[in-house]
Amino acid sequence: GAGVSQSPSNKVTEKGKDVELRCDPISGHTALYWYRQSLGQGLEFLIYFQGNSAPDKSGLPSDRFSAERTGGSVSTLTIQRTQQEDSAVYLCASSLRSRVTVYGYTFGSGTRLTVV
Amino acid sequence: KQEVTQIPAALSVPEGENLVLNCSFTDSAIYNLQWFRQDPGKGLTSLLLIQSSQREQTSGRLNASLDKSSGRSTLYIAASQPGDSATYLCAVSEVETSGSRLTFGEGTQLTVNP
Repeated sequence: GAGVSQSPSNKVTEKGKDVELRCDPISGHTALYWYRQSLGQGLEFLIYFQGNSAPDKSGLPSDRFSAERTGGSVSTLTIQRTQQEDSAVYLCASSLRSRVTVYGYTFGSGTRLTVV
Repeated sequence: KQEVTQIPAALSVPEGENLVLNCSFTDSAIYNLQWFRQDPGKGLTSLLLIQSSQREQTSGRLNASLDKSSGRSTLYIAASQPGDSATYLCAVSEVETSGSRLTFGEGTQLTVNP
């Protein structure tokens, strides 16, 4: 696609429920990243995919968080048993790994998650 | 560990002023530095990207400079307009990390008053 697409744009869920956030990167972009932006805080790295594998999961805050990527394209970030502290904007970015120095990263519009 | 700092945290100026936003980073081993704009409740829009071998990039009224050896970048906005009001984020792409992920500063919240 023309840009990075994220869905849903907004999600309100009850504490304890599971949620799935979706990211559809730019076609042909091999690298995909998830970040989290909590209220009043900076962007926090969560996980990086190269193709379908995730060489770096170091930013996932707990084992309630998981992510997968299929077909080298769409990625899903799943949060199980959501807690109020999970409320944040979840941003996805993609890049052409071999040309990241030249073209950088493109971000989606994010999913605003509110846990009530 | 890479740390990125942006100064000031907030800035309010009258329309028409030229202004400078500052970004500093602790580890000079970067691939590139990217300036983004974020409007309230929105995602990030890329403004300028400077490769590690470059000194500056320009786009319209925006000019970004990079001094990798001293770990500094500035974003210069000429003739500011109310539509420039947003949060400006600086991010560096790290050589040492898998996937050369971005490390962000906390941002500068800019308000341009009509």
